[in-house]
Amino acid sequence: GESVGLHLPTLSVQEGDNSIINCAYSNSASDYFIWYKQESGKGPQFIIDIRSNMDKRQGQRVTVLLNKTVKHLSLQIAATQPGDSAVYFCADKRGYGGSQGNLIFGKGTKLSVKP
Amino acid sequence: ETGVTQSPTHLIKTRGQQVTLRCSSQSGHNTVSWYQQALGQGPQFIFQYYREEENGRGNFPPRFSGLQFPNYSSELNVNALELDDSALYLCASTPLGPGRTEAFFGQGTRLTVV
Repeated sequence: GESVGLHLPTLSVQEGDNSIINCAYSNSASDYFIWYKQESGKGPQFIIDIRSNMDKRQGQRVTVLLNKTVKHLSLQIAATQPGDSAVYFCADKRGYGGSQGNLIFGKGTKLSVKP
Repeated sequence: ETGVTQSPTHLIKTRGQQVTLRCSSQSGHNTVSWYQQALGQGPQFIFQYYREEENGRGNFPPRFSGLQFPNYSSELNVNALELDDSALYLCASTPLGPGRTEAFFGQGTRLTVV
């Protein structure tokens, strides 16, 4: 079935290094791709999204890249900090008429930042 | 803080019982969605409510039902609880506006079925 999945379940980086979290998707009809961060005991927190007609979008310390040719999405975090330690999910958004659509999440990548 | 609050935070129920989970979202968020998150997995879409009507449903049986109220609150009801229903239940609301994609999640309700 259609799904959004991640390449690696865990990622460990040194504080100050850049982190890259990858995601593969299968549904070419998605309108948006979105990255969420989930810290222990909390709900997912929106990080950044990218529309399906874009290749790159930058936020504060984060960049999302979308490669539609190979159906690949990545999240780059610059100068990773201990507070970035969390599970990161990619999700694609599929719309319903006038509503905001629902999110299809992958399994997640756990990012651990070593001091 | 997302402005989305869920209650209770933790709940233990017995197999076969019924449960109601509650969510309060921000003013102006006209869409509320519910997700089930099993341990170590990503959230799975249960259903969505838009203007107080169900507007989309995931692969969940009819014993999962919901309501959305005019005051931006919402309920998730689960009947005939099964052990596999044990999970974190997340409520997410989305603000009005074209192209708005960010869903604001609550902290979730941890349901344990024994």
